[in-house]
Amino acid sequence: GAVVSQHPSWVICKSGTSVKIECRSLDFQATTMFWYRQFPKQSLMLMATSNEGSKATYEQGVEKDKFLINHASLTLSTLTVTSAHPEDSSFYICSARSPDRGFRMVIYYGYTFGSGTRLTVV
Amino acid sequence: AQSVTQPDIHITVSEGASLELRCNYSYGATPYLFWYVQSPGQGLQLLLKYFSGDTLVQGIKGFEAEFKRSQSSFNLRKPSVHWSDAAEYFCAVVLHGSGNTGKLIFGQGTTLQVKP
Repeated sequence: GAVVSQHPSWVICKSGTSVKIECRSLDFQATTMFWYRQFPKQSLMLMATSNEGSKATYEQGVEKDKFLINHASLTLSTLTVTSAHPEDSSFYICSARSPDRGFRMVIYYGYTFGSGTRLTVV
Repeated sequence: AQSVTQPDIHITVSEGASLELRCNYSYGATPYLFWYVQSPGQGLQLLLKYFSGDTLVQGIKGFEAEFKRSQSSFNLRKPSVHWSDAAEYFCAVVLHGSGNTGKLIFGQGTTLQVKP
């Protein structure tokens, strides 16, 4: 089945520095990937949609310049948290979309998630 | 607006008892619906999904869900809960249409606690 690898699993950084998180589809090509943010005891909030070879589409309220997304290949998307602050501390999860099956000229997609990255900014 | 709602924030059941987690959606077209489970500090694991066809969907770990269009629901069920089922459960819907790019949107989540 589809596997998505996300690294690092956890990272601690100092305020003002930048952190890069990688999301890789290991056994399939993912033209579309998604980045989510999750606060403790809360649901996943979609931050942005990452499309291979084009600019990411950000959800309303998400700072594009703070959360830089690059999807340079069909198997890799990266999220860079720039000039990190303690309020950026959170659990970040990526998801890759892959074709699941086709039925009557319609392609249905599955969504496979990485294991998440715990970011702590001190 | 298109959305998915999980009315129960927290549910406690005894081990061996049956379970039903509720999920309601608001969507104009036929929704694509998913149930995921998340253990603390982990990513999400797919339990089951509904695209079309048979409205009763079987998933992994003994879970099943039934799509009911008339009630706009996709409730998750399990006949006998095990202690290892304690986790966070998320219902999700795929948004289609212009500009949505197949985005997967989540409900608020339901925390399942299992009593011995």
